[in-house]
Amino acid sequence: IAGITQAPTSQILAAGRRMTLRCTQDMRHNAMYWYRQDLGLGLRLIHYSNTAGTTGKGEVPDGYSVSRANTDDFPLTLASAVPSQTSVYFCASSEAGGRNEQFFGPGTRLTVL
Amino acid sequence: GQNIDQPTEMTATEGAIVQINCTYQTSGFNGLFWYQQHAGEAPTFLSYNVLDGLEEKGRFSSFLSRSKGYSYLLLKELQMKDSASYLCAVMDSNYQLIWGAGTKLIIKP
Repeated sequence: IAGITQAPTSQILAAGRRMTLRCTQDMRHNAMYWYRQDLGLGLRLIHYSNTAGTTGKGEVPDGYSVSRANTDDFPLTLASAVPSQTSVYFCASSEAGGRNEQFFGPGTRLTVL
Repeated sequence: GQNIDQPTEMTATEGAIVQINCTYQTSGFNGLFWYQQHAGEAPTFLSYNVLDGLEEKGRFSSFLSRSKGYSYLLLKELQMKDSASYLCAVMDSNYQLIWGAGTKLIIKP
């Protein structure tokens, strides 16, 4: 693989169900991010990780959790999905510090009914 | 609070020039980014400005004025494939990106 992959591509989920969105990068970037993108709004940061073993909360963390067991993987978990979590979710990665250009995965379109 | 403003939508003609403006108010400044996002796809990096002035990269140029909290993206010799959304983002004092809602650029023949 080259770059960042996300799975699944899309998902329809019943409210109350647990869901994990997967993200893997092969660029050996230290920093990784999860964003959600909603119509009319800018990308909003959910959680981030500056290096393996550490995570931090972004602008809209409630209802989401992340883990960073290694450099490559950064899964996002919705413990009990609600309709307001219907969105497109993007995972991104970057070199830590400095210019910090972020590279994005293809996104996961999630619908919670 | 932190705020990034850019026009919602712009229309331009193939072969012409268009300027997309972005104004920002953020807690700290560690650079301004422009990304391009085609419908249904991921954002891709276009440019980065951290010092005042113009950065040119082929048909695309980006300008920054830190004192005015202002940037623009200039696209020359527009092509149909330039139809996309253009996202302005500022890196704040915590080195997190604050994103504008994006400007949808429509190119007409």
